[in-house]
Amino acid sequence: GAGVSQTPSNKVTEKGKYVELRCDPISGHTALYWYRQSLGQGPEFLIYFQGTGAADDSGLPNDRFFAVRPEGSVSTLKIQRTERGDSAVYLCASSLNRFGGYTFGSGTRLTVV
Amino acid sequence: GENVEQHPSTLSVQEGDSAVIKCTYSDSASNYFPWYKQELGKGPQLIIDIRSNVGEKKDQRIAVTLNKTAKHFSLHITETQPEDSAVYFCAAETNQAGTALIFGKGTTLSVSS
Repeated sequence: GAGVSQTPSNKVTEKGKYVELRCDPISGHTALYWYRQSLGQGPEFLIYFQGTGAADDSGLPNDRFFAVRPEGSVSTLKIQRTERGDSAVYLCASSLNRFGGYTFGSGTRLTVV
Repeated sequence: GENVEQHPSTLSVQEGDSAVIKCTYSDSASNYFPWYKQELGKGPQLIIDIRSNVGEKKDQRIAVTLNKTAKHFSLHITETQPEDSAVYFCAAETNQAGTALIFGKGTTLSVSS
């Protein structure tokens, strides 16, 4: 596609529920990243995929967070037993390879009530 | 790990003036320094980047300078326009496994006409 697409753009969920956030990267981009951005802060790294495999998941805050990229294209970020502190904008980015600037999507605004 | 400090947090200028945003980083192994512009409700957009083998890069009204010895880099915007108003983020990346970008906390630039 022309850019990185993230769906949904907004998600409101109740505390304790499970959510999935989807990212469609730019076609042909092998590197895919998930970041989380809280209000007034810069993006914080969560996980990086090179192809289908998670090359670095050191930013995932705990085991309630998990992400997959089964075919090396679309990725899904999964959050179990959501907490109010998980509320943030979740950003996905992709790049042609691991060197160089990312292209970010517009993000999914997650609100846990 | 890497830590990126950015200042000022807010910057107000008159249209036509120059704006300068400064960042420092802690990891001497960092070798890639991008700058992103983020408008309300959108993902960060790459506006310029610099690698550690050069000291300055310019693209029309935007320039970035890098001082590896002092571990700081700066964004310079000349002849500012109202559409330059946004939040600007600096970031640093090492060549270690994972290649995550570490972002500063952002600078809110306001250009008044």
